[in-house]
Amino acid sequence: DQQVKQNSPSLSVQEGRISILNCDYTNSMFDYFLWYKKYPAEGPTFLISISSIKDKNEDGRFTVFLNKSAKHLSLHIVPSQPGDSAVYFCAAVLYNNNDMRFGAGTRLTVKP
Amino acid sequence: ETGVTQTPRHLVMGMTNKKSLKCEQHLGHNAMYWYKQSAKKPLELMFVYSLEERVENNSVPSRFSPECPNSSHLFLHLHTLQPEDSALYLCASSQGLAGGTRGDTQYFGPGTRLTVL
Repeated sequence: DQQVKQNSPSLSVQEGRISILNCDYTNSMFDYFLWYKKYPAEGPTFLISISSIKDKNEDGRFTVFLNKSAKHLSLHIVPSQPGDSAVYFCAAVLYNNNDMRFGAGTRLTVKP
Repeated sequence: ETGVTQTPRHLVMGMTNKKSLKCEQHLGHNAMYWYKQSAKKPLELMFVYSLEERVENNSVPSRFSPECPNSSHLFLHLHTLQPEDSALYLCASSQGLAGGTRGDTQYFGPGTRLTVL
C-alpha cells in the first residue's frame, strides 16, 4: 500500500522560474513531512520539513506547503537554478513511529 | 571521513552467493536504518536499529540479515538472493529515531547498487 504518492515522475522548468513539486498521502495519522533531494550516485539529503501543526515552512528559496484537509503537500523552489536538478522525494512520518514512508520521487530538471 | 559511508558502492552477485553490505556513520548518531530503493518505486524501510538493538523489521525476507555490532556500524548480510532483489540499498542514520523527537533528520549514505544475476 503506497501511502505517499508523487504522481509526477518528472518536471522540467526554466531557470529563474518557480518549480512546484507535489506529494499526496493517504494516512491522516502522518504528522511530520520531509523533502529530500537526491543527486545521482549520492544518497538522499534532507531539504526541508514541516510539522502537521503548520501549513507553511520556508527556508531560503524552498517553501513547503501542507494542506491537511486535502492530504497534500508541495515544495516550491523559487527561483529555480540548474543546480536544483535532482530527484526530489517527499516523506511522511507517523506520530511515535519509526517508519518513514517515501514517495517514488520526482526528477526535476532546471534548464539554463 | 565524515557522514555516512557505504561499501561496496556496486555489487554483482549470483543467487547462490553470500555477501555483506557495510555502512558506517561518523556522526555520533544512535539510530541506523537500511532502505531498499527499486527502480521507480518508493524507498522501502527494511530495518531500524537504535542503540544497537533492532526496533523494526518490516517483513523483510530472511535472506536479508542485518547486524549492528555497535552504534557506528551496520551490516546487511545477503544470502541466496533473487533477481528481484536487485536494487539500490541505502543506509541512513539519525540522532534519535524518526517519529520520536521531531527533527531527527536522517542522513543517508550513497548507497550500494546491487545486481543479482
